[in-house]
Amino acid sequence: QAVVTQEPSLTVSPGGTVTLTCGSSTGAVTSGHYPYWFQQKPGQAPRTLIYDTSNKHSWTPARFSGSLLGGKAALTLSGAQPEDEAEYYCLLSYSGPWVFGGGTKLTVL
Amino acid sequence: EVQLVESGGGLVQPGGSLRLSCAASGFTFSSYWMHWVRQAPGKGLVWVSRINSDGSYTSYADSVKGRFTISRDNAKNTLYLQMNSLRAEDTAVYYCATQIRGVVHWGQGTLVTVSS
Repeated sequence: QAVVTQEPSLTVSPGGTVTLTCGSSTGAVTSGHYPYWFQQKPGQAPRTLIYDTSNKHSWTPARFSGSLLGGKAALTLSGAQPEDEAEYYCLLSYSGPWVFGGGTKLTVL
Repeated sequence: EVQLVESGGGLVQPGGSLRLSCAASGFTFSSYWMHWVRQAPGKGLVWVSRINSDGSYTSYADSVKGRFTISRDNAKNTLYLQMNSLRAEDTAVYYCATQIRGVVHWGQGTLVTVSS
């Protein structure tokens, strides 16, 4: 089974910009993996931020954006806010079961 | 509004069984695939199982194959996960989830603790 990799942790200053990435052990991530990004805060269920590489849900703040970058899926946060401190998970589809990345703990400090 | 409400979690001894339920509302349940995803304490999300819209196809993660059974009752808008031969490593919050027009919707989760 494929392994999906994310940075274990990242730190961003308030108002700053940070990019989280999501790679695949099988090769380059493409739009065909329908990359997802979820945000999870302590004690809460995950919620969808980005689907199908770059599409936003109605509740997704405009400061979040998704893309493909250097063979990986990427989530960019521009203008970080304290409330963005959370765990972020990517999900790739491999024509079947879902495969999640290990998550990135984002600290806003 | 899409709502998924899990229930049935609790404390169970190793080797025991438990059945989780997920009550769905706010969408046409019988039209969508459904998934179970779990999260061990302090760990990441792990996909467990999925079922197609009419219940005729199922698949499982290797870690639960042969022990867990996913099913659904479209008349009751309810998804199930029958968990047998439970092990300590099955301890986790179990979420049901579905993908509607691209967006993944999640329940609030139910905690399963396997311990003697």
